[in-house]
Amino acid sequence: GAVVSQHPSRVICKSGTSVKIECRSLDFQATTMFWYRQFPKQSLMLMATSNEGSKATYEQGVEKDKFLINHASLTLSTLTVTSAHPEDSSFYICSARDPLAGGGDEQFFGPGTRLTVL
Amino acid sequence: QKEVEQNSGPLSVPEGAIASLNCTYSDRGSQSFFWYRQYSGKSPELIMFIYSNGDKEDGRFTAQLNKASQYVSLLIRDSQPSDSATYLCAVNFSGTYKYIFGTGTRLKVLA
Repeated sequence: GAVVSQHPSRVICKSGTSVKIECRSLDFQATTMFWYRQFPKQSLMLMATSNEGSKATYEQGVEKDKFLINHASLTLSTLTVTSAHPEDSSFYICSARDPLAGGGDEQFFGPGTRLTVL
Repeated sequence: QKEVEQNSGPLSVPEGAIASLNCTYSDRGSQSFFWYRQYSGKSPELIMFIYSNGDKEDGRFTAQLNKASQYVSLLIRDSQPSDSATYLCAVNFSGTYKYIFGTGTRLKVLA
């Protein structure tokens, strides 16, 4: 149980285009999903917290107009990187919180999306 | 500023030995602590979590938590080459469901 999928797994795009990444919880309802970014040889940095039916909460320094997050249902959150530039190239990972698992704090991670902006 | 610190390593241990990974955190009110393993190019996978002071064992893994010292550790017994990966400590800070990740410790198990 507690499987999270992400699509696409890899994407290459030209500078200036927008890219949408989907995160789905496959066998549970995720009231909260999280989006992380990881640069090579660095740890995961939390970008934003996504709550179903409400606006996302962004971490300090993350541009909300550049990284658009939508959490339209209990099983789907999307991250859109708008007007992508080469410095946005990174590994984007989502996670989902299953409120019924363990103490409710556990996050289940998707397999990640490798974004390369040319 | 809430922080989670880990030694970046690499930590090299021979096959069959015990690997000891350490993590300190800044927020005394933190409630839950997680250890993840991450292979290169992959997303993190949960090894175990711990909420209470003391030890928690799961197979070859033991997590140890000392809230007074703001310290959590992971012991890996009978280390195998397949355990070679980066180990990430994540702390759930009080009042939120957010994780703050440490920088990770790279473990190398030598055959």
